[in-house]
Amino acid sequence: QQPVQSPQAVILREGEDAVINCSSSKALYSVHWYRQKHGEAPVFLMILLKGGEQKGHEKISASFNEKKQQSSLYLTASQLSYSGTYFCGTEHSLIDRGSTLGRLYFGRGTQLTVWP
Amino acid sequence: DAGVIQSPRHEVTEMGQEVTLRCKPISGHDYLFWYRQTMMRGLELLIYFNNNVPIDDSGMPEDRFSAKMPNASFSTLKIQPSEPRDSAVYFCASNTRGAGANVLTFGAGSRLTVL
Repeated sequence: QQPVQSPQAVILREGEDAVINCSSSKALYSVHWYRQKHGEAPVFLMILLKGGEQKGHEKISASFNEKKQQSSLYLTASQLSYSGTYFCGTEHSLIDRGSTLGRLYFGRGTQLTVWP
Repeated sequence: DAGVIQSPRHEVTEMGQEVTLRCKPISGHDYLFWYRQTMMRGLELLIYFNNNVPIDDSGMPEDRFSAKMPNASFSTLKIQPSEPRDSAVYFCASNTRGAGANVLTFGAGSRLTVL
């Protein structure tokens, strides 16, 4: 039930773009994105609740394709501060929730390194 | 609010010893989660509580692990006896669904090393 993230790692030069993908085998109610700096706790970036919804946070945006059970995180004109590990968290659909209401399943993470 | 507070931040112990990790959630949050993070398995949900009641403990690895939430402002995760494979960073997180969205706030984590 853990979502699958790809790629596992990305190395960028400052100013370059990147896409991180997240896919689930389960029908989804929402997708969450978190960023974790080395030695720190994961920090919430954004949540996507509807199929096809897109959201933005600085130059970071995301989309959620409910039918395909996939989400993508887009980082444009990357900055040094974007370095870290990005996690997607999935919340299963209402039908599938049952006792797992509120439970987030996290992917293994994508390590993003931005070089000057 | 001071956020989610965890203690200790670092713990080094020997195999067989009991370990107790503590968590204070954000005031007003009615959900509390315990996650374990390792390189191999990423972020795994161990157990979560709603209004101090355990809802799902299917992620607890084995009987050596136990968690309690005696009141709305305190939770413990205990490992007895500890083993080297328990070495990991343990995160506590809390949220409330009052706003309609399941957004977690994580504590700083407790790094456990079992020798």
